[in-house]
Amino acid sequence: TQLLKQSPQFLSIQEGENLTVYCNSSSVFSSLQWYRQEPGEGPVLLVTVVTGGEVKKLKRLTFQFGDARKDSSLHITAAQPGDTGLYLCAGGLGTALIFGKGTTLSVSS
Amino acid sequence: DTAVSQTPKYLVTQMGNDKSIKCEQNLGHDTMYWYKQDSKKFLKIMFSYNNKELIINETVPNRFSPKSPDKAHLNLHINSLELGDSAVYFCASSQVLLGTGNEKLFFGSGTQLSVL
Repeated sequence: TQLLKQSPQFLSIQEGENLTVYCNSSSVFSSLQWYRQEPGEGPVLLVTVVTGGEVKKLKRLTFQFGDARKDSSLHITAAQPGDTGLYLCAGGLGTALIFGKGTTLSVSS
Repeated sequence: DTAVSQTPKYLVTQMGNDKSIKCEQNLGHDTMYWYKQDSKKFLKIMFSYNNKELIINETVPNRFSPKSPDKAHLNLHINSLELGDSAVYFCASSQVLLGTGNEKLFFGSGTQLSVL
C-alpha cells in the first residue's frame, strides 16, 4: 500500500514554464517534507510544513500543506534547467519518515 | 567536511557473498537510518537507530544486520546477497527521533549495490 501518492510521476517542460507537483494521502501526517534529489546524490531537504493550510515560499518554489494535513503541493514558477531532479514528498508517521515515489522533473533550455 | 558519509559508493558482488556498507555522521545527531531506493526511485526505510538502540526494523530480511558501535556510526552488513538486493542504499541522520514534527534528515550520497 502506497501511503503517499505523488503526481505526475514524470514531467518534462521548457525553461520558463510553471509547474505543480502533488502529494496526496488518505492518512494524516504530523508534518510533510519536500526533498530534491540529483543523480548520484542523496535527497536534500527543501522545506517542512507542519500546520494545516500552511504556505511556504522558497524563492520560485511555493509549498502548501492541505488543511486536513493529508496532502501537499509544490509549485515552481518560471522553471530553470537547474530545477531538474527528483522531487520527493515525505510524511512523518509515528517515528518513521515515509516517502512518496517521487516526481522526476526535466527542464530543458 | 561531509556531514553524512558512506562507503563504498559502488559495490558489485556475486550472489551469496557477504558485504558491508559503512556510514558515519559528524553532525552530532542522535538518530541514524538506513533507506533502500529501488530502480523506480522508491525510497523505503529499513532501520532507524536512536542512541545506538534499534527503533525501527521495517520487515527487512534478517540477512540484513545493522550495527551501531557509537552514535556517529551505523553500518549495514548483508549476508548471502540475492539479486533482489540490488538497489541504492542511503544512510541518513537526524537531530531527534522522527515523530515530533519538523525533523530534518541529512542523507549520505548513497551506495549503489549490484548483485550479479
